[in-house]
Amino acid sequence: AQTVTQSQPEMSVQEAETVTLSCTYDTSESNYYLFWYKQPPSRQMILVIRQEAYKQQNATENRFSVNFQKAAKSFSLKISDSQLGDTAMYFCAFMKLMEYGNKLVFGAGTILRVKS
Amino acid sequence: DTAVSQTPKYLVTQMGNDKSIKCEQNLGHDTMYWYKQDSKKFLKIMFSYNNKELIINETVPNRFSPKSPDKAHLNLHINSLELGDSAVYFCASSQDWAENTEAFFGQGTRLTVV
Repeated sequence: AQTVTQSQPEMSVQEAETVTLSCTYDTSESNYYLFWYKQPPSRQMILVIRQEAYKQQNATENRFSVNFQKAAKSFSLKISDSQLGDTAMYFCAFMKLMEYGNKLVFGAGTILRVKS
Repeated sequence: DTAVSQTPKYLVTQMGNDKSIKCEQNLGHDTMYWYKQDSKKFLKIMFSYNNKELIINETVPNRFSPKSPDKAHLNLHINSLELGDSAVYFCASSQDWAENTEAFFGQGTRLTVV
């Protein structure tokens, strides 16, 4: 069974600094997709970034980038130049493709607080 | 325009009642989902529909019954509500159920059973 582990329940970072959120996963599949979702206090789930396992190049989206280590099954999220609006809960997720349908398997989340 | 909209956003009800949560997406997507986020913020899939057909049904009590009148709507009906049903329920949709498809989430419905 696929599992996703986020070992940091909470993290803090000063505004304008860089922070890295950790995520590891377990799967026997060779091709799959990984995602980071952000959930601010508004409760909305927002896709931050996604990575295709067969691509060696790490995905980047503006200030957000990932460090994807396929052999180690690690998928960390780096946020550069942190902003107050980045304060949120961040979920790492693995897309599991089933015979019919797919589902996101989420980690337990990391609360990120950006301090001014 | 809201891509995935759920109503109501908040729902407080007594144990034993029956309630429904509605979800609509205007993205033209084929696949819709219900996810549950418990009090510890853990998110887990409940159901998935593709073109009005149920394709994923995780281990969910049969008091929960999804209904999809058309591919733009996926409603969740809950019978005989229990205290443990208190959670945030998220509706989501995606273009299809291929593994590279992005899921778009609604704003969630916070259900409180008292």
